[in-house]
Amino acid sequence: EDQVTQSPEALRLQEGESSSLNCSYTVSGLRGLFWYRQDPGKGPEFLFTLYSAGEEKEKERLKATLTKKESFLHITAPKPEDSATYLCAAKLIFGTGTRLQVFP
Amino acid sequence: DAGVTQSPTHLIKTRGQQVTLRCSPKSGHDTVSWYQQALGQGPQFIFQYYEEEERQRGNFPDRFSGHQFPNYSSELNVNALLLGDSALYLCASSLGGQGANNSPLHFGNGTRLTVT
Repeated sequence: EDQVTQSPEALRLQEGESSSLNCSYTVSGLRGLFWYRQDPGKGPEFLFTLYSAGEEKEKERLKATLTKKESFLHITAPKPEDSATYLCAAKLIFGTGTRLQVFP
Repeated sequence: DAGVTQSPTHLIKTRGQQVTLRCSPKSGHDTVSWYQQALGQGPQFIFQYYEEEERQRGNFPDRFSGHQFPNYSSELNVNALLLGDSALYLCASSLGGQGANNSPLHFGNGTRLTVT
């Protein structure tokens, strides 16, 4: 059965304190690993697609990487406006998300 | 460029009733997927519509049904509502065809359904 698992469930960071979010997947026939950001009361917003192991994508303070079994979302020197829930997905299946809070 | 729009934004229904939620996809998109998101959880896949047919379905009972119209807009119907159906219902559009699962999803802001 296809499955996507995220950790940690929640993460509290001080502004400027870098960290990483994990997404583990067991999916047959992966055709793309997706990362989304979701703010409270809103729908998820697309961030990145990764298609093959070794691929990396960057956007501002975020960098996503992919291996054959997991993906990481690295957050460098986060700011309070990066606070949100980060979701990963594969083949229309979403993980439960990591709720990130960044404090000034 | 209009994004995904959903209506209504909020809805309160009584147990046993039926509800219809509506979605207009992003301009140029032909595939619509529906998700249920409980508080503090990730979105759960209900089903996906392409060319007016249900192409894929998640693990949801037959009480959940849908429709896609020729203009690509879509409806989600839920019959015999249960208290556990209370959730945020998200619609997402994408480009379809064989590459549907390769395409990023563009989400609306959802319909908050409360069943009392």
